[in-house]
Amino acid sequence: NAGVTQTPKFQVLKTGQSMTLQCAQDMNHEYMSWYRQDPGMGLRLIHYSVGAGITDQGEVPNGYNVSRSTTEDFPLRLLSAAPSQTSVYFCASSYAGQGALYEQYFGPGTRLTVT
Amino acid sequence: KNEVEQSPQNLTAQEGEFITINCSYSVGISALHWLQQHPGGGIVSLFMLSSGKKKHGRLIATINIQEKHSSLHITASHPRDSAVYICAVGNTDKLIFGTGTRLQVFP
Repeated sequence: NAGVTQTPKFQVLKTGQSMTLQCAQDMNHEYMSWYRQDPGMGLRLIHYSVGAGITDQGEVPNGYNVSRSTTEDFPLRLLSAAPSQTSVYFCASSYAGQGALYEQYFGPGTRLTVT
Repeated sequence: KNEVEQSPQNLTAQEGEFITINCSYSVGISALHWLQQHPGGGIVSLFMLSSGKKKHGRLIATINIQEKHSSLHITASHPRDSAVYICAVGNTDKLIFGTGTRLQVFP
């Protein structure tokens, strides 16, 4: 199994540009999520999905869109990049059930710089 | 006040020492996770627990639901344990993360 894959690993954008961060998992996990990690702060939830066709906002959703057309893929779109979106982005997936999220599997991360 | 607080923020130890990292939370949860972030940035899950204690190799995690507190212990620490250890608490659809404890173990 490849686990959770993310592309690209690094990206530099100019303010106002748009792009899509790709995330895929091959473990048939229902739950997928996107986080951003900034210095001195914990991972913060951007958007999450509990299954194909179902997405919801997390703590910091503004400026980002997601969709979940298949169980495997959960892309994150930046609509109009801003310097405040400079961060490291992680995608994660897990099983969910019995009122809890199970072991989390993280992708390798995408380091995004917006100039 | 953050919903998940970890202490200490930074920790240095000599190889072989017993390490304890603490996590306190203020929200109702269904499970607590301990994660390890390597110096290269990758994040791996160490434990998920909702009660009691779990052990894996030299790592032990405990949780006290009544006191809303968890501890991660590392016995016989080794330089390869140097990493950031992250506590996260959650329910059915969201996890809230602490800011992490940076551990450095020197030979």
